Amino acid sequence: EAGVAQSPRYKIIEKRQSVAFWCNPISGHATLYWYQQILGQGPKLLIQFQNNGVVDDSQLPKDRFSAERLKGVDSTLKIQPAKLEDSAVYLCASSLSDMAVYEQYFGPGTRLTVT
Amino acid sequence: AQSVTQLDSQVPVFEEAPVELRCNYSSSVSVYLFWYVQYPNQGLQLLLKYLSGSTLVKGINGFEAEFNKSQTSFHLRKPSVHISDTAEYFCAVKGDYKLSFGAGTTVTVRA
Repeated sequence: EAGVAQSPRYKIIEKRQSVAFWCNPISGHATLYWYQQILGQGPKLLIQFQNNGVVDDSQLPKDRFSAERLKGVDSTLKIQPAKLEDSAVYLCASSLSDMAVYEQYFGPGTRLTVT
Repeated sequence: AQSVTQLDSQVPVFEEAPVELRCNYSSSVSVYLFWYVQYPNQGLQLLLKYLSGSTLVKGINGFEAEFNKSQTSFHLRKPSVHISDTAEYFCAVKGDYKLSFGAGTTVTVRA
């Protein structure tokens, strides 16, 4: 079974530029999550999708971050414009549903450096 | 609201020695508890989880954890570590539908 795929793995941009990350979840997984992991901290949930609908985006900085999950499969996370404090690893995860009994499977992450 | 505190940010340990990673949580509702491991440049992998039932939970790679409701703790243990256990370990709690992570404990195993 293929895992969660993410691209790119690494990205370096200057502040005020824009950037997009892509995630392909495990086939059949209805729930998709984007997390931000700043160095030295645990992952923080940015947004959660159930199929192609948003369940929770309360911690997404909506003035600069946006995310979509077209057709309930792949997802993209965009930052525009980027700030220095956006430097982090962006993790995508998926699960069969959001019930606790179902494990969240994580992708390898995209390491973003904003200079 | 829910939160997780991992009491040790770094734990150095010698190979074949035991290790314990401490985790305390707070929540206004009943919780489910998890331990994840993150190897360098990789995503998180589930080690074990407590949903209900026996408070002693066994996971992969010889790890186990004990849920203590009165002390609101979920400490992770392994009786004998290997070099390959060098990684970052995260405790997480799910009270509502959202998974909240601790800041992580870096375990460094030395020969």
